[in-house]
Amino acid sequence: KQEVTQIPAALSVPEGENLVLNCSFTDSAIYNLQWFRQDPGKGLTSLLLIQSSQREQTSGRLNASLDKSSGRSTLYIAASQPGDSATYLCAVMDTGRRALTFGSGTRLQVQP
Amino acid sequence: SQTIHQWPATLVQPVGSPLSLECTVEGTSNPNLYWYRQAAGRGLQLLFYSVGIGQISSEVPQNLSASRPQDRQFILSSKKLLLSDSGFYLCAWSARGGYGYTFGSGTRLTVV
Repeated sequence: KQEVTQIPAALSVPEGENLVLNCSFTDSAIYNLQWFRQDPGKGLTSLLLIQSSQREQTSGRLNASLDKSSGRSTLYIAASQPGDSATYLCAVMDTGRRALTFGSGTRLQVQP
Repeated sequence: SQTIHQWPATLVQPVGSPLSLECTVEGTSNPNLYWYRQAAGRGLQLLFYSVGIGQISSEVPQNLSASRPQDRQFILSSKKLLLSDSGFYLCAWSARGGYGYTFGSGTRLTVV
């Protein structure tokens, strides 16, 4: 059974800092990996999707990498802003299923 | 463009009452559909997923059920709610093949 772990559970940084969020998964037989953002009381917004054959994806100040063999992904946020404050969720889709398994998230607070 | 609608946004129900949450998708055909639950301070738990009309896979045995009466409609139901059913319920869809996920805005259910 796939398990997804995110470290740290919470992170507080000053505005302008570059930061890295970590995600690890136990079964490397994945179809894709997706990073989401969730604001308090809201649904999930997709940030980046990495197919299993890809190593990284970039969108603006966000860069996500995937090392399938080691079961790891990182989300890099450059020049953080207070508007980046949210919970960031990592999720993997296994090759045998068509449903995502989520980590418990990293709650990010960017201090102005 | 594709959109996903989920309602109601909030719901307060007494223990033992029935439940019906509805989710519809527009702008696509033959989507995979999903119901997730997010308990307070916890990650997302997959409840049900469906790859076609009348095809429902249950991930967690409980007093909830799901139905897909039409291609782009997914309904989450319960005959008698428990206190433990409280949480944030999210509907999602993905294209066939599991590429990408898009979530609805969620329903906050409080069972009292």
